[in-house]
Amino acid sequence: GAVVSQHPSWVICKSGTSVKIECRSLDFQATTMFWYRQFPKQSLMLMATSNEGSKATYEQGVEKDKFLINHASLTLSTLTVTSAHPEDSSFYICSATNYRAYEQYFGPGTRLTVT
Amino acid sequence: DQQVKQNSPSLSVQEGRISILNCDYTNSMFDYFLWYKKYPAEGPTFLISISSIKDKNEDGRFTVFLNKSAKHLSLHIVPSQPGDSAVYFCAASEGNYGQNFVFGPGTRLSVLP
Repeated sequence: GAVVSQHPSWVICKSGTSVKIECRSLDFQATTMFWYRQFPKQSLMLMATSNEGSKATYEQGVEKDKFLINHASLTLSTLTVTSAHPEDSSFYICSATNYRAYEQYFGPGTRLTVT
Repeated sequence: DQQVKQNSPSLSVQEGRISILNCDYTNSMFDYFLWYKKYPAEGPTFLISISSIKDKNEDGRFTVFLNKSAKHLSLHIVPSQPGDSAVYFCAASEGNYGQNFVFGPGTRLSVLP
């Protein structure tokens, strides 16, 4: 099946700094990438949808200036958490889809801890 | 308001028996349904899906049933194995490009040896 990677798999940063998370589709061209956040014991929450070459569409309640998403190519999307705070600590998961948009292929996730 | 519901947060089943995970949805516009399996600290893995034009889809030990009139779907795992222990998410989408893709809250399945 299609493979999606994320880097880093875990990161610890200090409050006030910015962190960039990469999401790559390794063996297919991803026309659309999604970013999710999972809180402990809760379901995945869609943060934003990004299409290659255009601005991301953010879900209601997600601060676009805080969570910067760039989908610069058909194989790479990045999520930058700016001026991170401890409440941003979470598990962030990306997914990618190609022309057949029904099935999304998920990355392994990135554990962010803000101290 | 949750559009996709999984009312059982957890389920325990004996190895070899059938596991039945249930999912209900409220949006009648959903036309494609998926099940994902997730281990701790990993991304979800796609398991099986079903289009709204079907009422059953089978793949090995996994079968998904869809009852459109009841807005209900279920995932059957037979026989259940200890390695099936994970959180299972039901998801639904509408539109040709997967618009409004929504996950349920998940059900933690424990298969006891």
